[in-house]
Amino acid sequence: SAVISQKPSRDICQRGTSLTIQCQVDSQVTMMFWYRQQPGQSLTLIATANQGSEATYESGFVIDKFPISRPNLTFSTLTVSNMSPEDSSIYLCSVVGGLGAFFGQGTRLTVV
Amino acid sequence: QQQVKQSPQSLIVQKGGISIINCAYENTAFDYFPWYQQFPGKGPALLIAIRPDVSEKKEGRFTISFNKSAKQFSLHIMDSQPGDSATYFCAARSWNSNSGYALNFGKGTSLLVTP
Repeated sequence: SAVISQKPSRDICQRGTSLTIQCQVDSQVTMMFWYRQQPGQSLTLIATANQGSEATYESGFVIDKFPISRPNLTFSTLTVSNMSPEDSSIYLCSVVGGLGAFFGQGTRLTVV
Repeated sequence: QQQVKQSPQSLIVQKGGISIINCAYENTAFDYFPWYQQFPGKGPALLIAIRPDVSEKKEGRFTISFNKSAKQFSLHIMDSQPGDSATYFCAARSWNSNSGYALNFGKGTSLLVTP
């Protein structure tokens, strides 16, 4: 299993601002995944971040809105840019190890 | 497009009863089927998983039944307890040459086990 530390755990932000979420893994992993979970909903994959290459974004998500950094094999950041109330959600990072995917505890973002 | 369909959306079970959550998929390339348990304010945690060459897997009170021909799999929670009250997600894993492994999640089932 992998231990994933994600921060901040929650934040309340003003619309138009940006928030950077950090994800630290206790072991080296090739791929890290960023998900969004809207209230009462399932998980939607935002992008996959490979170390040393550009992140791969899913349909409906763009780099200008959700820039991702992956400076090394244990760390990644997701920035939610120019936020609006529609961005209020839980953001989760995840890694795949062995037979399972493991998640951070999530960042609960509220945009006011 | 929802690649994994999960039902029911919510479920209420009495303590000691059996909770059953069902999932169906279409993509025969999926190679791994995990279930996740999520408590409020927490990230999903891997509960149990199965590969498509196995028809059943049991871990304690949790059992996955897998029907490859029907492309369906289900989670059974035996002797359900109030502490099992959580949201459960089924998922199916696929491989993409551009992004590697990806998990396709069902919409989740909110389980409430009453005392």
